[in-house]
Amino acid sequence: QQPVQSPQAVILREGEDAVINCSSSKALYSVHWYRQKHGEAPVFLMILLKGGEQKGHEKISASFNEKKQQSSLYLTASQLSYSGTYFCGTVTSDNYGQNFVFGPGTRLSVLP
Amino acid sequence: DTGVSQDPRHKITKRGQNVTFRCDPISEHNRLYWYRQTLGQGPEFLTYFQNEAQLEKSRLLSDRFSAERPKGSFSTLEIQRTEQGDSAMYLCASSLGSADTQYFGPGTRLTVL
Repeated sequence: QQPVQSPQAVILREGEDAVINCSSSKALYSVHWYRQKHGEAPVFLMILLKGGEQKGHEKISASFNEKKQQSSLYLTASQLSYSGTYFCGTVTSDNYGQNFVFGPGTRLSVLP
Repeated sequence: DTGVSQDPRHKITKRGQNVTFRCDPISEHNRLYWYRQTLGQGPEFLTYFQNEAQLEKSRLLSDRFSAERPKGSFSTLEIQRTEQGDSAMYLCASSLGSADTQYFGPGTRLTVL
């Protein structure tokens, strides 16, 4: 089952903050965050594991709430280079093993 | 460069022709994934390999699609009798294990005329 991402799109001015949410209907083993710029392949940002943790990468950080089966990506003091589509990828487990599914993406536009 | 590579980067073909794409993963990665992505959508899972074994294939995948990873290293994705609906970006990714970070190649953009 594909995770749900919100919002679908967001427009910011340079220096503003944004939060992107990713939620699953199934228990999560881990959550991966990727950014994809137009015409390029997705690029890994960070991974959050069950039992973790909030992670940070420059001014981009993320949290993982196991009970709520969701993760949030926080972009602080956004820069023009943050523009792109952000995908979460969720890893869930069932009797057949682990499954990795990408969300539909959140399109972020940072304007000067 | 030790990242994931894909060849060709672009392919234009006529409807009904067969095409084959190649992916070279990061050398120590056991897992190799194929995705398809259309404009405005997230990557759609097609199939994946654990070493040379193809462990899962999307139920949405037509029989015209086949993939191989004969020696557990590079992989090929073949599309037979291409249709205009096959036009998309085909992405390859590799990872160490099932829950590990997937590193993507640059993709092969297929245009079927």
